Amino acid sequence: QQQVKQSPQSLIVQKGGISIINCAYENTAFDYFPWYQQFPGKGPALLIAIRPDVSEKKEGRFTISFNKSAKQFSLHIMDSQPGDSATYFCAARGTSGSRLTFGEGTQLTVNP
Amino acid sequence: GAVVSQHPSRVICKSGTSVKIECRSLDFQATTMFWYRQFPKKSLMLMATSNEGSKATYEQGVEKDKFLINHASLTLSTLTVTSAHPEDSSFYICSARDSQGSFGGGYTFGSGTRLTVV
Repeated sequence: QQQVKQSPQSLIVQKGGISIINCAYENTAFDYFPWYQQFPGKGPALLIAIRPDVSEKKEGRFTISFNKSAKQFSLHIMDSQPGDSATYFCAARGTSGSRLTFGEGTQLTVNP
Repeated sequence: GAVVSQHPSRVICKSGTSVKIECRSLDFQATTMFWYRQFPKKSLMLMATSNEGSKATYEQGVEKDKFLINHASLTLSTLTVTSAHPEDSSFYICSARDSQGSFGGGYTFGSGTRLTVV
């Protein structure tokens, strides 16, 4: 019940295209859903996060769509750029504790 | 924004020696610190959680005597890998949580430490 399933494992997109990464969870007690971007040899950096009482949040080219009934959330990267090439992790936090549960990660490659 | 400084970024040590990794929160008080281990092309694996002034809580399967965590102040936590062996080689990342961030506590990650045991 603590798992967060992420797909796809890898994604190749052309410059200017839309990158879409999906995550699904089981634990209805999760109350915070962040997305992190990680470059090789670096720690994860917060991209955008959402609460379960909001269905969508947009920050620049990054949008989170949240479907509470389906227990799914996704990251959309509009106008994808080669500099977006990185590994993306979704995560979720339960109310019973402060730990984050991470998805398996998606390696995004944006071709020029 | 919140910054966590992690040092060293890379370390090579001989088998049997100990290595200490430091994480400092530069502009906020880290009430909770998380330590992760990450294998190549894999997700972050939580090793332990520590609250300032308390003993760390280790995840199942993590040897507390091998991975010593100290969180003696609100701005500093350390992970010491004792008697390191080649299988301890990995990428170690800390994450600090403060009580003032978004949604009741934001998480800021350090830049990671690449440990190689030879």
